[in-house]
Amino acid sequence: GAVVSQHPSRVICKSGTSVKIECRSLDFQATTMFWYRQFPKQSLMLMATSNEGSKATYEQGVEKDKFLINHASLTLSTLTVTSAHPEDSSFYICSARIMGQGTDTQYFGPGTRLTVL
Amino acid sequence: RKEVEQDPGPFNVPEGATVAFNCTYSNSASQSFFWYRQDCRKEPKLLMSVYSSGNEDGRFTAQLNRASQYISLLIRDSKLSDSATYLCVVNIDRGSTLGRLYFGRGTQLTVWP
Repeated sequence: GAVVSQHPSRVICKSGTSVKIECRSLDFQATTMFWYRQFPKQSLMLMATSNEGSKATYEQGVEKDKFLINHASLTLSTLTVTSAHPEDSSFYICSARIMGQGTDTQYFGPGTRLTVL
Repeated sequence: RKEVEQDPGPFNVPEGATVAFNCTYSNSASQSFFWYRQDCRKEPKLLMSVYSSGNEDGRFTAQLNRASQYISLLIRDSKLSDSATYLCVVNIDRGSTLGRLYFGRGTQLTVWP
């Protein structure tokens, strides 16, 4: 099956710093990737849709200036949490979309656990 | 109102039991439906898609009722390895340029020996 990687898997940082998370599709090209966030015992919440070569589409309530998304190539999307604060501590997960004849599937990365002190 | 509602459980069942999970979705324009499984502190993994006619994959059976906007998952002959959180997922934009997935909160299942 399709493989999606994320880096780093875990990060601990001080309040006010910026953190970059990478999402890569390893064996396929993904014109669309998605970024989700999951707080403990909560569902995955879609943050934004990342489209290769164009601006990301953010969900309502997600600050685009705080969560910067760059989809520079067909295999890489990055999420930068700028000036992170403790309330940004969460599990960040990306997915990559594959569309084909009769199929529309998302493959998820292993997630990045962010802890802001 | 949330896009997808699930009973969070937890469900605690013995090995061999049959257990059913339910889910409702709010958007009648929803196009495709899935059950994902998420283990503790891991990413979600696709368990099965849900089709209008209902579908079965081994011990797992999924049903969809579009009129009631209701989705179910039945697990027969539960195994210890089935212990996980089961996520009901809805895609409203299938085939379009968006393809967003909306996740339910998940139903936690623990199978005990």
